[in-house]
Amino acid sequence: DADVTQTPRNRITKTGKRIMLECSQTKGHDRMYWYRQDPGLGLRLIYYSFDVKDINKGEISDGYSVSRQAQAKFSLSLESAIPNQTALYFCATSDSSETGSLNEQFFGPGTRLTVL
Amino acid sequence: EDKVVQSPLSLVVHEGDTVTLNCSYEVTNFRSLLWYKQEKKAPTFLFMLTSSGIEKKSGRLSSILDKKELSSILNITATQTGDSAIYLCASETSGSRLTFGEGTQLTVNP
Repeated sequence: DADVTQTPRNRITKTGKRIMLECSQTKGHDRMYWYRQDPGLGLRLIYYSFDVKDINKGEISDGYSVSRQAQAKFSLSLESAIPNQTALYFCATSDSSETGSLNEQFFGPGTRLTVL
Repeated sequence: EDKVVQSPLSLVVHEGDTVTLNCSYEVTNFRSLLWYKQEKKAPTFLFMLTSSGIEKKSGRLSSILDKKELSSILNITATQTGDSAIYLCASETSGSRLTFGEGTQLTVNP
């Protein structure tokens, strides 16, 4: 079984609809992240959470919100989807170390979202 | 603003060639630099570099960090078609976040 799972894997929706992307992990990591990937732009951080009570905005948080329902679950919402939110969305997890330094991030399989 | 730049953005080679991918960074409170390989799905981890001048190797892949030049290279020797992928470089920045570069699309032709 995959350590980091995302649902749905593909989604086509219309402008103005509310969309939720879900991420679950069985790695026991405390840190979780949401990225979007667009051609030629690499991965850009949307939101991240270092524990259940900690939520932080990334570099492109406008138009998105998140919820950390439990240590293992981190969901991303688009309250009113727009076409330029069409992208590949990745969830990732990492473990915190004693030094506070970031360890490698483990990525989910991605969700391909198309907003018409 | 933290920034990571990769070059080239795309590269086409023949099997057996050796390639060098470049990554430069301008970040606050640098902690580490990471390389990922992305095929048709999620990125997978290759290397994490924290110390300058120490080469990390995994099979035909190797990478080294130059903190003086604020850069890193990823070398792949004797390339194979299975090496075709997007190679992503990322820098750990203040607040323990990763800033990614645009990626290098490598295509290895038989």
